[in-house]
Amino acid sequence: AQTVTQSQPEMSVQEAETVTLSCTYDTSESNYYLFWYKQPPSRQMILVIRQEAYKQQNATENRFSVNFQKAAKSFSLKISDSQLGDTAMYFCASPLDNDMRFGAGTRLTVKP
Amino acid sequence: DTEVTQTPKHLVMGMTNKKSLKCEQHMGHRAMYWYKQKAKKPPELMFVYSYEKLSINESVPSRFSPECPNSSLLNLHLHALQPEDSALYLCASSQDRGGLYNEQFFGPGTRLTVL
Repeated sequence: AQTVTQSQPEMSVQEAETVTLSCTYDTSESNYYLFWYKQPPSRQMILVIRQEAYKQQNATENRFSVNFQKAAKSFSLKISDSQLGDTAMYFCASPLDNDMRFGAGTRLTVKP
Repeated sequence: DTEVTQTPKHLVMGMTNKKSLKCEQHMGHRAMYWYKQKAKKPPELMFVYSYEKLSINESVPSRFSPECPNSSLLNLHLHALQPEDSALYLCASSQDRGGLYNEQFFGPGTRLTVL
């Protein structure tokens, strides 16, 4: 089965510091997409960043960037200058086998 | 308008009741999705509609019946549910071109409790 795995159930970071959330995946598809979604407490899930596998350049969105290692099937999310509003559950996801596969999630807490 | 709305916010129902969840978007998206999310778990895809036609049904029990009456609306009809169906039900939409590869816009969810 094609899978998405997040092995860090919880993480914390001090405000203004940098944190990296890990994600690995397993797929036999040659072209695929990878996403990081953020689900704040009691608020809607929103897209943080999206990476297309055939693009070698790592995606960036303001304070959010990814480290995409295709050979290692690794897709980590780096959050720079963490803010209190970054406190949320973060899900790594990929459309695989005509399904949207999410990792188990990482609960990130940003401390003042 | 970049919002997906869902009603009701909360729903409590008995195992013999029939109820419906409603989802609406006005972003011109032609793909809409239903997910089920249990507490502290990731969302699980249930159904995908593309141009108002059901394109993906992830082996969901027949007690869940989706309906897409037009491009802006998505309903989920519930009948004879079990307590284990209690969960947060999320609706999402996206541009259809590219399907699951596109960014999905999620609603706030309906929290369902089955007694």
